[in-house]
Amino acid sequence: NAGVTQTPKFQVLKTGQSMTLQCAQDMNHEYMSWYRQDPGMGLRLIHYSVGAGITDQGEVPNGYNVSRSTTEDFPLRLLSAAPSQTSVYFCASSYGRDTGELFFGEGSRLTVL
Amino acid sequence: GENVEQHPSTLSVQEGDSAVIKCTYSDSASNYFPWYKQELGKGPQLIIDIRSNVGEKKDQRIAVTLNKTAKHFSLHITETQPEDSAVYFCAAQLLNKFYFGSGTKLNVKP
Repeated sequence: NAGVTQTPKFQVLKTGQSMTLQCAQDMNHEYMSWYRQDPGMGLRLIHYSVGAGITDQGEVPNGYNVSRSTTEDFPLRLLSAAPSQTSVYFCASSYGRDTGELFFGEGSRLTVL
Repeated sequence: GENVEQHPSTLSVQEGDSAVIKCTYSDSASNYFPWYKQELGKGPQLIIDIRSNVGEKKDQRIAVTLNKTAKHFSLHITETQPEDSAVYFCAAQLLNKFYFGSGTKLNVKP
C-alpha cells in the first residue's frame, strides 16, 4: 500500500494562476480531507469528504474547490491563486468519520508570488 | 466551531527527562482527541489517541490524560530520547471535523 499520495511536492505560482493539488489513497478510506499548515497555526481544515459525491467546507474554505468523484481521489483546486495561499498543504484520509486516525500524505509546498 | 489551544509552543528537555504538553478545547461535544508527531519534511503521524469515555491511555513511554469537566487533555512522554525530537500536535474531533492545536516543538538534548 502506498497510503496517501500527494502531487506535486513543490509548486510556484504567480498571482491569479490556477492549479490542482492531487491526492490519492489506496486504503479504501471513506473520509478524505485537506489541511493547510502555516507557521504557528497548526493545521487548518479546508474541505473534507465523507464519501464519493459528498464534500463539505472546513474552517478555511475560501479560494479552494474540491470534488470527490471516486473513493480514491480528492483533488484540491485553487481557481485564482493569491499570496495568502502560500502554505504547505496536507491531504489526510480515514476509514470513516467516526474511526478517528487520520493518515497524512507527505505534503505539497505551494508558493504564490 | 471548536477552538483548540496548545502549550507550550517550544519545549526543551534533557534526554531521560519527562515532557508534558497540554491542550484545551472549547466544545464539550468533541469526542475524540488524537496526538500527532511531525518530523521535518513529513506529514503528521498518529502516536496516541483517546476517546471521551476514557480518562487515561498509555502506550509504553507515551500516555494521554483527558479531563472532560475542565475540557483539557495532556500528552506525557517519559524517558525521552533524541528521536522524540519533533513537532507534536493535539487535535479534537467535532462531528466530521478535526481541529488542531498550534503545535509544540520538542527538543530532546543528548
